[in-house]
Amino acid sequence: EDQVTQSPEALRLQEGESSSLNCSYTVSGLRGLFWYRQDPGKGPEFLFTLYSAGEEKEKERLKATLTKKESFLHITAPKPEDSATYLCAVQAPNDYKLSFGAGTTVTVRA
Amino acid sequence: DTGVSQDPRHKITKRGQNVTFRCDPISEHNRLYWYRQTLGQGPEFLTYFQNEAQLEKSRLLSDRFSAERPKGSFSTLEIQRTEQGDSAMYLCASSLGASGPSSYEQYFGPGTRLTVT
Repeated sequence: EDQVTQSPEALRLQEGESSSLNCSYTVSGLRGLFWYRQDPGKGPEFLFTLYSAGEEKEKERLKATLTKKESFLHITAPKPEDSATYLCAVQAPNDYKLSFGAGTTVTVRA
Repeated sequence: DTGVSQDPRHKITKRGQNVTFRCDPISEHNRLYWYRQTLGQGPEFLTYFQNEAQLEKSRLLSDRFSAERPKGSFSTLEIQRTEQGDSAMYLCASSLGASGPSSYEQYFGPGTRLTVT
């Protein structure tokens, strides 16, 4: 069964203090690794898909990277509006469901 | 493109009652998924459809749960004889279903928050 572990569970940052979130996974092959942002009481919002080791994607202050066993979401110079729970999910080959980790809740203080 | 919509947004019901939720996917998407999310956890897969065919169901989907997608458009998720353990956020997502990397990206609706008292 696919396993996704995210760390840390919670992260408190000062505005401008860069940091990284980790997503480690075990899956039989990997079709894709997905990052989502979720605000309280809302559905997950799609951020990135990564398909192969070495791939990187960027969006504003966020940068996602992928290795064979884990992915990192780097937050550069965060702002309070970056406060949210960040979810990581994997998709196996010949499968369409996503297997999610429990998420990392990021709080950015002004 | 108005995104994935779900109705109702909130539902409070008494134990033993039946409830039904609706999901309208992004119009050109032919895959539709249902997930359940409890507090502090990531979404857990329940079932998915390609067009009107239900192709996979999770072991989480007990026989009290049934999902349909008539005509391959909107979908409904019904829970019969609700239990307190059914209290959760029920999320719907859709994806293109065509070939190519972007076809695997799932876009989520706002969810239906179910509270069973």
